[in-house]
Amino acid sequence: EIVLTQSPGTLSLSPGERATLSCRASQGVTSSYLAWYQKRPGQAPRLLIYAASTRAPGIPDRFSGSGSGTDFTLAISRLEPEDFAVYYCQHYGSSPPMYTFGQGTTLEIK
Amino acid sequence: QVQLVQSGAEVKEPGASVKVSCKASGYTFTRYAIIWVRQAPGQGLEWMGWISVYSGSTNYAQKLQGRVTMTTDTSTNTAYMELRSLRSDDTAVYYCARVGSSSSQGNWGQGTLVTVSS
Repeated sequence: EIVLTQSPGTLSLSPGERATLSCRASQGVTSSYLAWYQKRPGQAPRLLIYAASTRAPGIPDRFSGSGSGTDFTLAISRLEPEDFAVYYCQHYGSSPPMYTFGQGTTLEIK
Repeated sequence: QVQLVQSGAEVKEPGASVKVSCKASGYTFTRYAIIWVRQAPGQGLEWMGWISVYSGSTNYAQKLQGRVTMTTDTSTNTAYMELRSLRSDDTAVYYCARVGSSSSQGNWGQGTLVTVSS
């Protein structure tokens, strides 16, 4: 079973700064099945990036995803106040269909 | 537009069962699988299981095997998640989500809070 490890656990930055979040898989995974979600308190998860680097519809271009194999990155170029939230990476594995989430990175205002 | 509307909050005693519904609209229900995810207080997102609406095939997280059942009713475009033998650590917000592009989930229900307490 694949384990996703996100780092750092908490990232303290100021609005306007750049954020870089990491997601490392315990073994190589298919980039097509790596996604990133934003989770705000009291709200449902929001899909940001799928297939490692494709922005979901309506997601601002300050969000970008990259990576392959075991190392994936979510970057937020210029932090807006609404970006401070918890971010999760997710992997989908087939046969049988199953999902794994990383433990999350909390992006907090410095 | 795609919408997933879940049933309301539940309070259950330990050992009881809960069944959460997720009514879909705005798309062809049988074309997309549904997953269920939960988030306990102060914890991360946990995948619970997957169901093919088309075939009814399921796959559940190993830790929930034997306690969870996911079903769908294509006549009402509704997905269901039943969790039995509830424990206090099942207290969480439960979400349904539609599986879309590259098996990601762009559409989510609003969440259902299930509280397990005596």
